Amino acid sequence: AQRVTQPEKLLSVFKGAPVELKCNYSYSGSPELFWYVQYSRQRLQLLLRHISRESIKGFTADLNKGETSFHLKKPFAQEEDSAMYYCALRPFGNEKLTFGTGTRLTIIP
Amino acid sequence: KAGVTQTPRYLIKTRGQQVTLSCSPISGHRSVSWYQQTPGQGLQFLFEYFSETQRNKGNFPGRFSGRQFSNSRSEMNVSTLELGDSALYLCASSLRASGNNEQFFGPGTRLTVL
Repeated sequence: AQRVTQPEKLLSVFKGAPVELKCNYSYSGSPELFWYVQYSRQRLQLLLRHISRESIKGFTADLNKGETSFHLKKPFAQEEDSAMYYCALRPFGNEKLTFGTGTRLTIIP
Repeated sequence: KAGVTQTPRYLIKTRGQQVTLSCSPISGHRSVSWYQQTPGQGLQFLFEYFSETQRNKGNFPGRFSGRQFSNSRSEMNVSTLELGDSALYLCASSLRASGNNEQFFGPGTRLTVL
């Protein structure tokens, strides 16, 4: 079985401060890991995936297989980062996404 | 390209009724997945269709069913509605069903069961 845990339901960070949203997973095989974001009144959209190793909107995430984690980080928070963030896992070769419960990030001006 | 569209956007039904939701994927996308989003359970996978065949199924009762048409449009049906079926139902489309490609989500259909 696959499971994704996001321990923080709510996270408030001051503008300009570093951000870290935690994600841990359990899966016996090789997973693909993703971060999805949902801004207010917008649809769920992909932020980044571990395979591409890109930095999107200043966010990065590194897959740590030893700790089974995929934490999302940004060095300097911006007000437009306020949103709901979901970590998700997908087995390779499969379309089924398993989501964490999400973290609502609020950036304090 | 137009994004994933879902109709209707809002729906109110009463217990015991049935409902059909529709999803039109991005042009050229052949895989459609459905998810249920509730405050208590979060986002949960319902099923996935590719080339008119169900490829994956989540842990939902048989009251939840779906199908895909030859033009890749998909419908999901919930029979004998229960109060707990109130949720946002999201559909996502992707090019193919082999993973390694991005899923694009629709705006969702908000179902309220009274």
